[in-house]
Amino acid sequence: SQTIHQWPATLVQPVGSPLSLECTVEGTSNPNLYWYRQAAGRGLQLLFYSVGIGQISSEVPQNLSASRPQDRQFILSSKKLLLSDSGFYLCARRDRNAYEQYFGPGTRLTVT
Amino acid sequence: AQTVTQSQPEMSVQEAETVTLSCTYDTSENNYYLFWYKQPPSRQMILVIRQEAYKQQNATENRFSVNFQKAAKSFSLKISDSQLGDTAMYFCACRSSGNTPLVFGKGTRLSVIA
Repeated sequence: SQTIHQWPATLVQPVGSPLSLECTVEGTSNPNLYWYRQAAGRGLQLLFYSVGIGQISSEVPQNLSASRPQDRQFILSSKKLLLSDSGFYLCARRDRNAYEQYFGPGTRLTVT
Repeated sequence: AQTVTQSQPEMSVQEAETVTLSCTYDTSENNYYLFWYKQPPSRQMILVIRQEAYKQQNATENRFSVNFQKAAKSFSLKISDSQLGDTAMYFCACRSSGNTPLVFGKGTRLSVIA
């Protein structure tokens, strides 16, 4: 199973408010997990990836942060949202001993 | 660092016809993997086809096949018998071995016309 859950599916938040997006995966242990952002009509930007609990690599410096408190949970956070944080956020997984990567259904974030 | 280039921002094809989407990549690695993903209007990213660089045989998945030219660093996607449901953004991606993340191209928007 490559099941990936993302919550919430849609979110509208005012500028300056905090953010917490959650990603959970099923059916695997110690997967690599990723957060991507996609602006409307654009490509995918890798934000963070994690190879294990508490291990986070940041690809783009910004006001976002990520945490991995449990093996199958990956959280994307912000203390104060900016208008430019609007977009479609995708969580992805790659299982150990596999080379393909699978994506969750995504969260559509609108910052107003 | 790896780079992936998709030179066709938009393409269209008549239903039942064949279309080829282009992708070139650059990597200094010997062991790497190549992928095509489809993103329909729902925005769910769907893995279409994958290719290991060490395999010479081109990958095929039903109506989808690739033309992998390792020396030219080219990885094109051919869609045969195009269907309306093939309308989507298509992303080419590359990853080297180990824990390195995928590197994506900017995508090609494909429209299948009835």
